[in-house]
Amino acid sequence: DTEVTQTPKHLVMGMTNKKSLKCEQHMGHRAMYWYKQKAKKPPELMFVYSYEKLSINESVPSRFSPECPNSSLLNLHLHALQPEDSALYLCASSQVWSDGRADNEQFFGPGTRLTVL
Amino acid sequence: KNEVEQSPQNLTAQEGEFITINCSYSVGISALHWLQQHPGGGIVSLFMLSSGKKKHGRLIATINIQEKHSSLHITASHPRDSAVYICAVHNDMRFGAGTRLTVKP
Repeated sequence: DTEVTQTPKHLVMGMTNKKSLKCEQHMGHRAMYWYKQKAKKPPELMFVYSYEKLSINESVPSRFSPECPNSSLLNLHLHALQPEDSALYLCASSQVWSDGRADNEQFFGPGTRLTVL
Repeated sequence: KNEVEQSPQNLTAQEGEFITINCSYSVGISALHWLQQHPGGGIVSLFMLSSGKKKHGRLIATINIQEKHSSLHITASHPRDSAVYICAVHNDMRFGAGTRLTVKP
């Protein structure tokens, strides 16, 4: 299985809602990533998990809360979002070298298109 | 100034043409990715390379570490190659702005 899956594909939520995005991979990858992509812009890295521990948080607002419950799953919990948070949220995974570097090809999921009303 | 610069931003070609997309970066890197993103969002990793040249079908990627430059070439282009092509440097996954390629039949 060489696939990264993301659910849901589309999500519409109000500013007071709480929702979660889910990402799953069964390739044995121990690094997982969340990216945010606005229209006609490149993806921006949000979070990196390595061995289920948060290793990079690119100054993301606290209304985005990542969680990595096990080596196959990555969640992004959303609360009190703003309309400007509407974007495509991409998950990716990669192998991790024995020295901890996630220096490997990333496999991307299809993304969740989020609209905040 | 973006650390990763791509050119051109937009490219229109006729089917069968040879296409080159360029990527320059200003930071030291361990590897560089070329990614393809179709309308609708899905991203496919085309190449990851840290030196020399890689080939996969009609796609060729080259990198010159000393000059901090990489190119993606598409031979015998086809309308299904129409997509956004993005380069990303691996140290912290900084992305270029992307090149929007349209191949006309």
